[in-house]
Amino acid sequence: AQKVTQAQTEISVVEKEDVTLDCVYETRDTTYYLFWYKQPPSGELVFLIRRNSFDEQNEISGRYSWNFQKSTSSFNFTITASQVVDSAVYFCALRPASGGSYIPTFGRGTSLIVHP
Amino acid sequence: NAGVTQTPKFRVLKTGQSMTLLCAQDMNHEYMYWYRQDPGMGLRLIHYSVGEGTTAKGEVPDGYNVSRLKKQNFLLGLESAAPSQTSVYFCASSYSITGGGLTEAFFGQGTRLTVV
Repeated sequence: AQKVTQAQTEISVVEKEDVTLDCVYETRDTTYYLFWYKQPPSGELVFLIRRNSFDEQNEISGRYSWNFQKSTSSFNFTITASQVVDSAVYFCALRPASGGSYIPTFGRGTSLIVHP
Repeated sequence: NAGVTQTPKFRVLKTGQSMTLLCAQDMNHEYMYWYRQDPGMGLRLIHYSVGEGTTAKGEVPDGYNVSRLKKQNFLLGLESAAPSQTSVYFCASSYSITGGGLTEAFFGQGTRLTVV
């Protein structure tokens, strides 16, 4: 069985601050995928990034960056120079790619509030 | 390209009533899922399907039934609604893990269900 922990329930920052959302996972699978999703106030779930367990390179996309560290079982998400539009609930998820059960597990989410 | 479509978007039920939520995807995905989202609980898996004609229980299956008679459709039924089933329901779909690296789940827009 796998588990995804997002220990930060809610984070509040002021616009232009940098913020890091933590994600720690547990799995016995040797191969797996990790994901981040964004859920803005409108309610839809938007896919942000996929990372497979063989690829520990950090990823940067504009103001967003992701730090995957297999040694600490973490896949953290940093927003640089946060904006009000970044206010949302962010979910981290893990999907095993070995062992026969390929069902994704989600963390409980981190609510990010960016104040103007 | 519609992606994942859920109907209805909103529904109010009285305790004991039944209803069916419909999910349709046009991406030829093998896997389909039903999640419920409650405050502070993240996304919890109700039932899932790995292919046409197959279904399996997730983390919180009690009080729900599902069917997948066609590959593109996944129905979630509530036979006798209870107030504890008041929630936001999300349908999602994805390729199998062997789907060329496109392993993320795509979500519908959600159904807000209130049971009074």
